[in-house]
Amino acid sequence: KAGVTQTPRYLIKTRGQQVTLSCSPISGHRSVSWYQQTPGQGLQFLFEYFSETQRNKGNFPGRFSGRQFSNSRSEMNVSTLELGDSALYLCASSLDPRTSGYQETQYFGPGTRLLVL
Amino acid sequence: AQTVTQSQPEMSVQEAETVTLSCTYDTSESDYYLFWYKQPPSRQMILVIRQEAYKQQNATENRFSVNFQKAAKSFSLKISDSQLGDAAMYFCAYRSGTGNQFYFGTGTSLTVIP
Repeated sequence: KAGVTQTPRYLIKTRGQQVTLSCSPISGHRSVSWYQQTPGQGLQFLFEYFSETQRNKGNFPGRFSGRQFSNSRSEMNVSTLELGDSALYLCASSLDPRTSGYQETQYFGPGTRLLVL
Repeated sequence: AQTVTQSQPEMSVQEAETVTLSCTYDTSESDYYLFWYKQPPSRQMILVIRQEAYKQQNATENRFSVNFQKAAKSFSLKISDSQLGDAAMYFCAYRSGTGNQFYFGTGTSLTVIP
């Protein structure tokens, strides 16, 4: 079974631009979560989508948004980029714990490394 | 919100030796799950080991084991017979028994010295 894929793998943008990142979950996984990873901060939760609906949201400004399509693929968008948005953005997919159990892990993609100049 | 703390930003261990990575968490919940993830350099994060809070027995996976102290809210990872391939960033994570959100620590970078 193919793993979680993320595109693009690397991005360089300038301040003020916007960016869209894509994530394709493992087949059969309907939950997709997004994280921002920066040195010293660890993984900061952005949001989780399940069946095209945002189910959880972290403490990030409204410039960060996402969506999920009917095939469970997900995109996240960052508008008006700031220097501090430079980070590794990780996507993780999982089965619905309400049916599969909360012991289930998330499966991570390789990440998209975003550099804002 | 739950918090997860990893107080050791960096650790090193000699090859074949044992190392313990620390993790503490704060929660008022009784039903939850704890995970250790490994992120090798430029590679995907993978699950190392998990522990259900309701289980008293510490989880083990080959050379990896945990010391789960529920009352102390401590969840340390022990790596025995360390190998060069164990070099990575290790993240401790918490998940409620009623929600899908994971809470991660800031990570511990492990170096394995040949």
